[in-house]
Amino acid sequence: KQEVTQIPAALSVPEGENLVLNCSFTDSAIYNLQWFRQDPGKGLTSLLLIQSSQREQTSGRLNASLDKSSGRSTLYIAASQPGDSATYLCAVTTNSGYALNFGKGTSLLVTP
Amino acid sequence: GAGVSQSPSNKVTEKGKDVELRCDPISGHTALYWYRQSLGQGLEFLIYFQGNSAPDKSGLPSDRFSAERTGGSVSTLTIQRTQQEDSAVYLCASSARTGTGTEAFFGQGTRLTVV
Repeated sequence: KQEVTQIPAALSVPEGENLVLNCSFTDSAIYNLQWFRQDPGKGLTSLLLIQSSQREQTSGRLNASLDKSSGRSTLYIAASQPGDSATYLCAVTTNSGYALNFGKGTSLLVTP
Repeated sequence: GAGVSQSPSNKVTEKGKDVELRCDPISGHTALYWYRQSLGQGLEFLIYFQGNSAPDKSGLPSDRFSAERTGGSVSTLTIQRTQQEDSAVYLCASSARTGTGTEAFFGQGTRLTVV
């Protein structure tokens, strides 16, 4: 069974800092990995999708990398802003099934 | 519609009653997922539909839970004889296809409270 772990569980940084969120998974036979953002009381917003054949994806200040062999992904946020405060979730889809397997998320607080 | 739509957004029900939660996926998306998010917990997979194939029901927690998808579009998640532990946010997602890396898009969820 695919297990997805996100570290740290919570993070507080001052505005302007660059930061890295980590995601690890136990089964490297994945189709893709997706990063989401969840604001309190809201649904999930897709940030980046990395296919298994890709090493990274970029969108604006966000950059996600994928290392399948080591079972790791990182989400890099450049020049953080208070509006980035949210919970960030990673999810993987494995070859053995189609459900997204989620980590428990990293709760990010960016202070002005 | 432009995104995945779920209704109702909030539902309060008495213990023992049945509830139905609705999901309208993005038009043309063949894959549809239901997840549950309990307070302080991660997202728990419930059920997955892909086109006309038999659904993957492996995540349903008990036989009180069922789901159907009519005409390959709208889906309804039904919880019979609700219990307090069913209180959670129920999230629906859809994607164009599975297995080869297409993006999943989520609705805003239905917050279910069983009193």
